[in-house]
Amino acid sequence: GAGVSQSPSNKVTEKGKDVELRCDPISGHTALYWYRQSLGQGLEFLIYFQGNSAPDKSGLPSDRFSAERTGGSVSTLTIQRTQQEDSAVYLCASSFRDSRLEQYFGPGTRLTVT
Amino acid sequence: DAKTTQPTSMDCAEGRAANLPCNHSTISGNEYVYWYRQIHSQGPQYIIHGLKNNETNEMASLIITEDRKSSTLILPHATLRDTAVYYCIVRGQGGSEKLVFGKGMKLTVNP
Repeated sequence: GAGVSQSPSNKVTEKGKDVELRCDPISGHTALYWYRQSLGQGLEFLIYFQGNSAPDKSGLPSDRFSAERTGGSVSTLTIQRTQQEDSAVYLCASSFRDSRLEQYFGPGTRLTVT
Repeated sequence: DAKTTQPTSMDCAEGRAANLPCNHSTISGNEYVYWYRQIHSQGPQYIIHGLKNNETNEMASLIITEDRKSSTLILPHATLRDTAVYYCIVRGQGGSEKLVFGKGMKLTVNP
């Protein structure tokens, strides 16, 4: 079946611009996660959505970052006033509610802030 | 979450079985062993998980020792595409859903 999809695959933006990254989770998965991974580094958790519950935003690095999930499916991660340190691969994952550690990842969006 | 220890790297010949060890001596009774891998320039990929019984799926087998202090991920017929960093994670089902990877083990499958 279809996996997690993310768009765009690559995004180059100028410092100070806003960007939106999109994630389409696997159909039927109620949990959705955003992570980011800088070059050669580990995963950094950003935000977690589970059904209609309030999202866990504890990993968002600053108030320039926000995310929403509409209709329990597609999610958008927005970064306002991008900075060079925001450059990273942004990864989205989804899972079933009862298998939250069995996460299926998308291919990621490589964000480069110039 | 219990700490895991993996070798830094391992080589394997293409077509042979790759046996990837993981030590988790402080694992508690309700913690599962999860394996993920990350192929270069790709997102992490879930492989398999288990509690105490051996598990097998289309990708791999997971052998957990009787005392649960260690486990082995087995790729029965390694291919060049299995070259990746493999992560062994021990987590309780009721704990955080946030994935945190350690350094993992680099598996290189050689032709």
